[in-house]
Amino acid sequence: QKEVEQDPGPLSVPEGAIVSLNCTYSNSAFQYFMWYRQYSRKGPELLMYTYSSGNKEDGRFTAQVDKSSKYISLFIRDSQPSDSATYLCARAGSYQLTFGKGTKLSVIP
Amino acid sequence: ETGVTQTPRHLVMGMTNKKSLKCEQHLGHNAMYWYKQSAKKPLELMFVYSLEERVENNSVPSRFSPECPNSSHLFLHLHTLQPEDSALYLCASSPGTSGRVELFFGEGSRLTVL
Repeated sequence: QKEVEQDPGPLSVPEGAIVSLNCTYSNSAFQYFMWYRQYSRKGPELLMYTYSSGNKEDGRFTAQVDKSSKYISLFIRDSQPSDSATYLCARAGSYQLTFGKGTKLSVIP
Repeated sequence: ETGVTQTPRHLVMGMTNKKSLKCEQHLGHNAMYWYKQSAKKPLELMFVYSLEERVENNSVPSRFSPECPNSSHLFLHLHTLQPEDSALYLCASSPGTSGRVELFFGEGSRLTVL
């Protein structure tokens, strides 16, 4: 079983929609989780991180961890065409990050 | 220059060539990483250096050879590559390697092996 599983999509939504991106992880000992955003022909950039369980909000973005179901979610409210990118979830290890495959999101004007 | 810069951005090489990828970080970080990104696959960790010492070699073939002369520079030397090595090679840096690891990535070097 892979450590972090993510549906690669692609996912296409109309502008203004609420987007839900999800990952599952295998080891309940994992504590730090991160979301990276990668625009085409660019490197990934850190979007948000969460610790253990609960929610974290930053503007239109909310990251959520559900430890009981080993589920990581990223919600984007009022999605914009500029949100079109690949979103990568990751769990933090002792000196590295382990990534999911990434979900490609397109927000259609 | 700010952040993490990688050169070259694009590289085409034959299977018998020798080339190098270069990475420089201007963030004052202590750790540097090489990741490989292929289509429809998760990012694969290749190498980790902490304070110029290699702390991880993730079963990478010997045709990839890393070098970290100081905490700001990282190289990936390439020789006798295979077409399946064609991918985006991402360099990243991190303030440290313990606790919450935050990676700051460069824009990548797109490698094509003919």
